[in-house]
Amino acid sequence: DVKVTQSSRYLVKRTGEKVFLECVQDMDHENMFWYRQDPGLGLRLIYFSYDVKMKEKGDIPEGYSVSREKKERFSLILESASTNQTSMYLCASSFAGSMNTEAFFGQGTRLTVV
Amino acid sequence: QKEVEQNSGPLSVPEGAIASLNCTYSDRGSQSFFWYRQYSGKSPELIMFIYSNGDKEDGRFTAQLNKASQYVSLLIRDSQPSDSATYLCAVNVRTYKYIFGTGTRLKVLA
Repeated sequence: DVKVTQSSRYLVKRTGEKVFLECVQDMDHENMFWYRQDPGLGLRLIYFSYDVKMKEKGDIPEGYSVSREKKERFSLILESASTNQTSMYLCASSFAGSMNTEAFFGQGTRLTVV
Repeated sequence: QKEVEQNSGPLSVPEGAIASLNCTYSDRGSQSFFWYRQYSGKSPELIMFIYSNGDKEDGRFTAQLNKASQYVSLLIRDSQPSDSATYLCAVNVRTYKYIFGTGTRLKVLA
């Protein structure tokens, strides 16, 4: 059974804290993604990675950074958490060899910044 | 114009009826199209994908693609209350770029 696992389901952090969201996949996928999902705005891409140590900005990268030191792991970092980063964060992965392949999602992390 | 557009709903259908969900996209280079189901508080899960013009059936679900009209739809036959969820349309424009619609909320009334 394919798996994308996010380290936490729920997180509460204080404004200004540095926050790490971890994601691990066991499918040997090249591509990994971080999205945030907000009501009425849908899924918005923050960053993606197509290989180890490679990363590309998505549509809303401001206030975030990422790290991919190993193929199976993709981390999202909130350098200094702010209340407008309260959201559902979704990690996904996909196979790079074909366009006819879906993105598999982790269970999501609901982050609240207070 | 949004890249992938869906009616936000809610779309309400009685149990046993056919639910029809629609999606339009703007990038003519789009090659693959996906329908995800998302229950409240959960992550999206894939229902179907389609990449050729026409219909593709899988059990109670049928995906329809019309590339000339830039239109993709999902039909759910014999709708059940357990089908109540938000349905996301996604388009793959490159191997690493998926564009998602904002989703249509479906309510199946028992």
